[in-house]
Amino acid sequence: KAGVTQTPRYLIKTRGQQVTLSCSPISGHRSVSWYQQTPGQGLQFLFEYFSETQRNKGNFPGRFSGRQFSNSRSEMNVSTLELGDSALYLCASSLRTGNSGELFFGEGSRLTVL
Amino acid sequence: EDQVTQSPEALRLQEGESSSLNCSYTVSGLRGLFWYRQDPGKGPEFLFTLYSAGEEKEKERLKATLTKKESFLHITAPKPEDSATYLCAVQRSNSGYALNFGKGTSLLVTP
Repeated sequence: KAGVTQTPRYLIKTRGQQVTLSCSPISGHRSVSWYQQTPGQGLQFLFEYFSETQRNKGNFPGRFSGRQFSNSRSEMNVSTLELGDSALYLCASSLRTGNSGELFFGEGSRLTVL
Repeated sequence: EDQVTQSPEALRLQEGESSSLNCSYTVSGLRGLFWYRQDPGKGPEFLFTLYSAGEEKEKERLKATLTKKESFLHITAPKPEDSATYLCAVQRSNSGYALNFGKGTSLLVTP
């Protein structure tokens, strides 16, 4: 069974540019969450999508946005990049049933902003 | 505001030397507490879910316990392959499936 796939794995951008990251969840998983991981702040929740609808949103500025498609694949976009946006962006999928917080993470997209 | 604090930040053990990692939390309406393991260059890997005080879960050399204020991850007779960062996360009852993570404990087990 294929795991969560994130593309691209690495990318370098300059301040002011925008970036789009992609996530393909495990087959059958309809929930996709995004997290930002930095050495200083650790893992921070960005947003969660289920059945193409944003269900929860973390405390991030409006420059961070996402969407989910009918096949459960998800994208997140960061506009007007800042140096502080350099981070590992992790996507996680889950069945979203009951109380389970069992998330299956991808290997992440490492973004460097110069 | 929810808070998840993990200690120690880093821990070095000799192979076979048992120890415990701590996760202290403050959350209104805990739905669940989770432990994940993260290897360098990889995404976190799910280990355990604990739902109520007094609950315990075991997997190989790992045992997770939960009280009303903290959780412990006990590592018995660790091996070098247990070296990783261990992350604790809480899920609030009214926050959907969003997890609030601690900053992790980096564990190094030497032969």
